Amino acid sequence: DTEVTQTPKHLVMGMTNKKSLKCEQHMGHRAMYWYKQKAKKPPELMFVYSYEKLSINESVPSRFSPECPNSSLLNLHLHALQPEDSALYLCASSQEGRGTETQYFGPGTRLLVL
Amino acid sequence: AQSVTQPDIHITVSEGASLELRCNYSYGATPYLFWYVQSPGQGLQLLLKYFSGDTLVQGIKGFEAEFKRSQSSFNLRKPSVHWSDAAEYFCAVGGGDYKLSFGAGTTVTVRA
Repeated sequence: DTEVTQTPKHLVMGMTNKKSLKCEQHMGHRAMYWYKQKAKKPPELMFVYSYEKLSINESVPSRFSPECPNSSLLNLHLHALQPEDSALYLCASSQEGRGTETQYFGPGTRLLVL
Repeated sequence: AQSVTQPDIHITVSEGASLELRCNYSYGATPYLFWYVQSPGQGLQLLLKYFSGDTLVQGIKGFEAEFKRSQSSFNLRKPSVHWSDAAEYFCAVGGGDYKLSFGAGTTVTVRA
């Protein structure tokens, strides 16, 4: 099973709202990733967790706050977002977080910030 | 630093015709190469990958890719496309650090 699940599928939020995105995998992977993808562009890496510790933050604004409660779960907490943050947010996982590994992606959460 | 170039932004192909998508990479050591496909509004699905060994790699959905070190290329091919192959295709290279470097993507349109 190479499935990564993400909820919700769609999310609309105002600039003053607080919301969370959720990602789950049951492949026994120890690395999980958050990507942001704008239309017709490749995914842009935001965060990497390896063994439940934040290992990479690609200079993401603090209005995005990741959390990894355990090795199967990854959350992205959103607060005071801007309209330009509207995008598809993709979660991925891989074995340990090395660049040589295959990353498996979830279906994404389509976020619209009004 | 590693990088990927996909020279074709958009390709239109007739159903039943063959398809070839180009990918050129830049990486100093042995590259780890991937092709992903993304249908509209969906996540990325792995089509195939190359780490080592046989330079012709078979993937899912009837796709194959050939690694050519001398040309720094990893082109994706399908002998006969189906309407369901209309999607965005991303080539990616992985290597020494945690990152996958993606190409800009190629949009494939299939006409009846």
